Amino acid sequence: GIQVEQSPPDLILQEGANSTLRCNFSDSVNNLQWFHQNPWGQLINLFYIPSGTKQNGRLSATTVATERYSLLYISSSQTTDSGVYFCAVGYYAGGSEKLVFGKGMKLTVNP
Amino acid sequence: GAGVSQSPSNKVTEKGKDVELRCDPISGHTALYWYRQSLGQGLEFLIYFQGNSAPDKSGLPSDRFSAERTGGSVSTLTIQRTQQEDSAVYLCASSLVFSSPLHFGNGTRLTVT
Repeated sequence: GIQVEQSPPDLILQEGANSTLRCNFSDSVNNLQWFHQNPWGQLINLFYIPSGTKQNGRLSATTVATERYSLLYISSSQTTDSGVYFCAVGYYAGGSEKLVFGKGMKLTVNP
Repeated sequence: GAGVSQSPSNKVTEKGKDVELRCDPISGHTALYWYRQSLGQGLEFLIYFQGNSAPDKSGLPSDRFSAERTGGSVSTLTIQRTQQEDSAVYLCASSLVFSSPLHFGNGTRLTVT
């Protein structure tokens, strides 16, 4: 199956700093999504972004499907941005749809 | 409801007992997924439903685990003869169709004593 790798695995920032999270995938995919899991365990869908660029407030994401990667940008980070960020890719294989998650990236934003 | 609803939110059971976990997806969502997350770990895929069919059951860890979906809506995940290693948060997610945004419930925290 397709491999999904996220980097960096962990990141510690001071409030106000910017950061870039990367998601690489090993083959062509049909869709890609970014999620944030807050410290209470809730998983929130940030972006559904199979290609192109989207922005939502301080967050934006870009997927370059032909080069098999996606980037999540967080600008002017806040303590509420802390948590684990996952990317997930969807593809078809063996007659079924597959949705594979990366291992996640833990972000800590200090005040 | 507005979001994916899971019940119970917490479940403590004795080793060897059977448990049922319930998921109510967002109305109209045809795709439904079950994942498992152990403490501090990533998301482990269990099973995927498209309507009432389960084209991908490859993630079910043993034959003690089963799941069904009825009426293209509610899904139940059943674990028979629970073991301590089954302790985890069980997450359900749904999307309108496969290629559309996925929405998660808050999970069921299962503790097997």
